Amino acid sequence: DIVMTQSPVALSVTPGEPASISCRSSQSLLSSNGNTYLIWYLQKTGQSPQLLIYVSSTRASGVPDRFSGSGSGTDFTLKISRVEAEDVGVYYCMQYLQAPVTFGQGTRLQIK
Amino acid sequence: EVQLVESGGGLVQPGGSLKLACAASGFSFSDSAIHWVRQASGKGLEWVGRIRMKAGNYATAYAASMTGRFTVSRDDSKNTAYLQLNSLTTEDTGVYYCCLNEVPGRPSLAFDILGQGTVVTVSA
Repeated sequence: DIVMTQSPVALSVTPGEPASISCRSSQSLLSSNGNTYLIWYLQKTGQSPQLLIYVSSTRASGVPDRFSGSGSGTDFTLKISRVEAEDVGVYYCMQYLQAPVTFGQGTRLQIK
Repeated sequence: EVQLVESGGGLVQPGGSLKLACAASGFSFSDSAIHWVRQASGKGLEWVGRIRMKAGNYATAYAASMTGRFTVSRDDSKNTAYLQLNSLTTEDTGVYYCCLNEVPGRPSLAFDILGQGTVVTVSA
């Protein structure tokens, strides 16, 4: 199974400041078709997870452009250019290159 | 508009069974793979299993802890997927979501959790 490891476990950010979350996979998520199968979710309290980024760097529909995904192979990063109060929640990375699909343990973002 | 609506959750005793449903609309259901993901209260997301489309021979796969207890199936004529839960334990309590993958021409739908999930509570 592919192990997904996120860091940090939690971070506290001042509104307007940037934030960055790291996700590492135990093996490359690059498929033979050229796609990298890495997703980022944000789960706000009491809500279903919201898809932010798919295939490593493509923003989902309606996701603000302050969110960006980058990385390749086994190292990935979710960046928020300027954190807003509504960005509070738990962020998860997930690989869907192969079954079993596996998730990172989550990173909790709080506002200072 | 793409919709996925989960149903069938409820309260069940340990050792009991439950069958969840995922009703879909707005895309080519029969050509898509269906996955189930769950979340225990206060815990992270956990993949449960999936069933591929006819072109993928309806292949199923499960998380190790669920193999032999859970079964994913589908009825393409009803645009509905199912998750049969057997031999339930208290650790199976949580919210169960269905989502898509391998949707033809629509990679943006992959693992987009569109529904509110259905709540399974295993308790005596």
